[in-house]
Amino acid sequence: EIVLTQSPGTLSLSPGERATLSCRASQSVSSTYLAWYQQKPGQAPRLLIYGASSRATGIPDRFSGSGSGTDFTLTVSRLEPEDFAVYYCQQYDTSPFTFGPGTKVDIK
Amino acid sequence: QVQLHESGPGLVKPSETLSLTCPVSAYSINTGYYWGWIRQPPGKGLEWIGSIYHSGNTYYNPSLNSRVTISIDTSKNQFSLKLRSVTAADTAVYFCARHPGNGPGDYYFDHWGPGTLVTVSS
Repeated sequence: EIVLTQSPGTLSLSPGERATLSCRASQSVSSTYLAWYQQKPGQAPRLLIYGASSRATGIPDRFSGSGSGTDFTLTVSRLEPEDFAVYYCQQYDTSPFTFGPGTKVDIK
Repeated sequence: QVQLHESGPGLVKPSETLSLTCPVSAYSINTGYYWGWIRQPPGKGLEWIGSIYHSGNTYYNPSLNSRVTISIDTSKNQFSLKLRSVTAADTAVYFCARHPGNGPGDYYFDHWGPGTLVTVSS
């Protein structure tokens, strides 16, 4: 099983600032089969990024993903008020498909 | 826009079977794609349970494999989850979701139901 580790656990930032979230895999995720989701309280996760760097339909271009192998990054270039949430990465290279523990982005 | 919505009892007794269904609207599941279940214990992270193809082909998380059955009913355009011998550790919000394809690069989830809380308690 591929274990995903996300850092930091919590990121405290102000609107307009840049957020950089990390996702590290316990073994290489081939073909960049890595996705990112955003979850707000009481809601289902929303797909942001798939294939490590492809934005899902309707996702603003302030969200970007990068990385390969074992190290992946989600960047939010300028935080909007609605971006404060929990972010999860997921690998879908190898079953069982696994999620990271999440990074909470809260308002400083 | 495809829509999913979980339904089933919100309370299940220990040792009994948790049963949920996920009717799908605005899309015929007989057309293709994989459909999955994910759960989230209160205040915790996400765990993939398993997925099913419209043909009935399934694959499960080994951590739950012995207790899980996922089935599909194309005539009702829905798929279902059964989790046997539940304990308090199975208390979670359960989500149904769609994989956007059926190839190796498609096993992320692009559409989700809103989730339903299932509590295991006597």
